Amino acid sequence: AQSVTQLDSHVSVSEGTPVLLRCNYSSSYSPSLFWYVQHPNKGLQLLLKYTSAATLVKGINGFEAEFKKSETSFHLTKPSAHMSDAAEYFCVVSASWYSSASKIIFGSGTRLSIRP
Amino acid sequence: GAVVSQHPSWVICKSGTSVKIECRSLDFQATTMFWYRQFPKQSLMLMATSNEGSKATYEQGVEKDKFLINHASLTLSTLTVTSAHPEDSSFYICSAMERDRIGYTEAFFGQGTRLTVV
Repeated sequence: AQSVTQLDSHVSVSEGTPVLLRCNYSSSYSPSLFWYVQHPNKGLQLLLKYTSAATLVKGINGFEAEFKKSETSFHLTKPSAHMSDAAEYFCVVSASWYSSASKIIFGSGTRLSIRP
Repeated sequence: GAVVSQHPSWVICKSGTSVKIECRSLDFQATTMFWYRQFPKQSLMLMATSNEGSKATYEQGVEKDKFLINHASLTLSTLTVTSAHPEDSSFYICSAMERDRIGYTEAFFGQGTRLTVV
């Protein structure tokens, strides 16, 4: 079974300051982990993904995430927030590689607000 | 990257009628597709897993007779909301996992369908 917990429903930071969005997961199998972003009234866009290669994953728009197995975490970070980063962010878990039982499970989402 | 096309993007229907939503993988074969429902300001809730050539697997609490899923080919899955009621109004999103020779790589999502039942 897989599950994912996003620890903050809302994060607010000032423009130019670091962003940290927290995610913890649970999986019976080696997980694949993803971060997706959803802007208002828009579809989902993949930011980055971890699929058992390098534990530090770099994504688009300056975002990165580190897979920490000992902490079962996959937190999303960005050194300097931009106004265009304001959106809803979803941490997603899937059982890795060849698993016919794999599901794609979404976290509850974190709304990121950017203060001018 | 791979493309998943969902149609229609929005639909308004009368209470009691049925609505069909299509999800197509345009440039890859998707043996498994997923259907989600998203309420306003909430996360995506997995409704069911659609497997090509077999019956869909529904999540607990999802009425299979209400939400009919058909995955007749490797590139097409459909969700039919039968006898729709206003409480079925929601944003429905499909997803397909692309698979390489090793296993699953990435999930691709359709644009979503906003269903309004009046």
